[in-house]
Amino acid sequence: DTGVSQDPRHKITKRGQNVTFRCDPISEHNRLYWYRQTLGQGPEFLTYFQNEAQLEKSRLLSDRFSAERPKGSFSTLEIQRTEQGDSAMYLCASSLYPSGGRTDTQYFGPGTRLTVL
Amino acid sequence: RKEVEQDPGPFNVPEGATVAFNCTYSNSASQSFFWYRQDCRKEPKLLMSVYSSGNEDGRFTAQLNRASQYISLLIRDSKLSDSATYLCVVDTYSSASKIIFGSGTRLSIRP
Repeated sequence: DTGVSQDPRHKITKRGQNVTFRCDPISEHNRLYWYRQTLGQGPEFLTYFQNEAQLEKSRLLSDRFSAERPKGSFSTLEIQRTEQGDSAMYLCASSLYPSGGRTDTQYFGPGTRLTVL
Repeated sequence: RKEVEQDPGPFNVPEGATVAFNCTYSNSASQSFFWYRQDCRKEPKLLMSVYSSGNEDGRFTAQLNRASQYISLLIRDSKLSDSATYLCVVDTYSSASKIIFGSGTRLSIRP
């Protein structure tokens, strides 16, 4: 399968613990995005990378959240001191930019479902 | 007012019916528009991009109305497999945080 992959698919943790998620984008894609999605809502942008550079972070991303993409390939998203409000699906997407047109089509991974007890 | 608004539904229609949803956006600088489909507990998948001239892909037709700032999705001859949530996505190109997803419209096709 050459699509976007994420690991783990599910994570249950206790409040206050740290968690780390991994995303492997489509290999030739230079952009990688992290989103958070809660029930009944669309994905909310958290941050994105172009190659290894983190170009933008949402105001939603508190200082407990950090993301890296050290070699411009896979990325990790870490949440420190988790809170119950962090429970959500964390989605990763990748794209090839520029793609020859002006559209930046994103392809999503299956997500990591986080439950904070 | 939300930047991208969708009727949450659910739309419950019989198989074979035609169904249409709209999505309104508030930023007139928006440049790109997409429809994504999301099945329950799955990731969003691109259904189609929306072009200024409108575009069609089989039973699906997307339209853009810049003057009124909305996009629409029309599904003809609906199938049971069309049951899903349809997410509208709007991109202003100004920044990644301006790629805004709507909350989605739930569609349920009944036999």
